[in-house]
This record gives sequence, structure tokens and C-alpha cells, in this order.
Amino acid sequence: NAGVTQTPKFRVLKTGQSMTLLCAQDMNHEYMYWYRQDPGMGLRLIHYSVGEGTTAKGEVPDGYNVSRLKKQNFLLGLESAAPSQTSVYFCASSFDMTSGAYEQYFGPGTRLTVT
Amino acid sequence: SQQGEEDPQALSIQEGENATMNCSYKTSINNLQWYRQNSGRGLVHLILIRSNEREKHSGRLRVTLDTSKKSSSLLITASRAADTASYFCATAQGAQKLVFGQGTRLTINP
Repeated sequence: NAGVTQTPKFRVLKTGQSMTLLCAQDMNHEYMYWYRQDPGMGLRLIHYSVGEGTTAKGEVPDGYNVSRLKKQNFLLGLESAAPSQTSVYFCASSFDMTSGAYEQYFGPGTRLTVT
Repeated sequence: SQQGEEDPQALSIQEGENATMNCSYKTSINNLQWYRQNSGRGLVHLILIRSNEREKHSGRLRVTLDTSKKSSSLLITASRAADTASYFCATAQGAQKLVFGQGTRLTINP
């Protein structure tokens, strides 16, 4: 099992450019999440999905869009990148959060710089 | 907004000593989880404690939960250099999400 993988690992964008971050998991997990982590901060939830075809907003959704067309993939899009979106982005997945009982598995992160 | 607040923000100890980190939160929770993050890596789940539990052990880790004070502590005994990392608490309030604190940066000196 590869677990949770993220593509790309690093990216530099100019202001106004767009890009898509790909997250893939091979654990048949229902729930998937996108977080951002800024220096000295914990993780802040951007968007999440509780199953194929569903998405929901998290704490900091502005400027981002997501799609979950396949159960194993969760895409995070930046339509018009801004310097404030410079961050490290983490994807996570979990089996079932209905009772809040299940741990989240994290990918290695994507380091994005917007100039 | 951050639910969990870790204390201290940074901790530096000698190898072999015990390390204690604290987490406080504001609202009722279903469970509380602790994660470790090595520099430049993703988070790794360490331990989960449910709201009706008071203490839990896993190897050299001991977690306590006091729901009346809305606080939790993580104790790492007999620390090793490999324990150098950031540690985050995360609370599960509802059915679908975790809310993470800002973390404690732990340094183990040889």
C-alpha cells in the first residue's frame, strides 16, 4: 500500500496562475481532507469530502475548489493563485469519521510558493 | 479558529528525560487525538482517547484527558533523539472533522 500520495511535491506559481493538486489514497477510505499549514501554525481545514461525489467547505475555503469524482482521488484547485496561498498543503484520508473514532492518514505534503 | 491550544509552544530536554505537553480545548468533544510531525513530513497518528476515558497508554506514550477542565496531556517517557518533532492535538467535535492545535515543538538533546 502506498497510503496517501500527493502530486506534485513542490510548485512555484506566479500570481494569477492556476493549478491542481492531486491526492490519491489506496486504502478505500470514505473521507478525504485538504489542509494548509503555515509557519508556526497548526493545520487549517480547506475542504473535505465524506464520499465520492461529495464536497464540503472547511475553515478556510476561499480561493480554492475541490472535486471528488472517484473515491480514491481528491483534487484541490487554485483558480487564480495569490501570494497568501503560499503554504504547505496536506491531504488526509480516514475510513469513517461518523463517530470521530478513526485516525486520519496524511500525505507527505505539497510545498507551494506563489510569487 | 483553532480549537486546541498546546502548551508549551516549544520544549527542549535531554535524552532520557520525560516530556510533557498539554492541550486545552473549548467545546465538547467526541474524542481527542495526538499526532506527530517530523520536519518536512506529514502528520502521523499517535494515540486517540475517547471522551469517556481518563487515561490511555501506548508504549512510551501516556495520554490523559480531563473533560471537566477541557484539557489533555501527552507524556513521552525516556525520550530519544528520534522523538524530536512537533506534536499536535486534534479534537473531534462532530462527525466529520478534526480541529488541530498549533503544536508543541519538541527537541531532544543528546
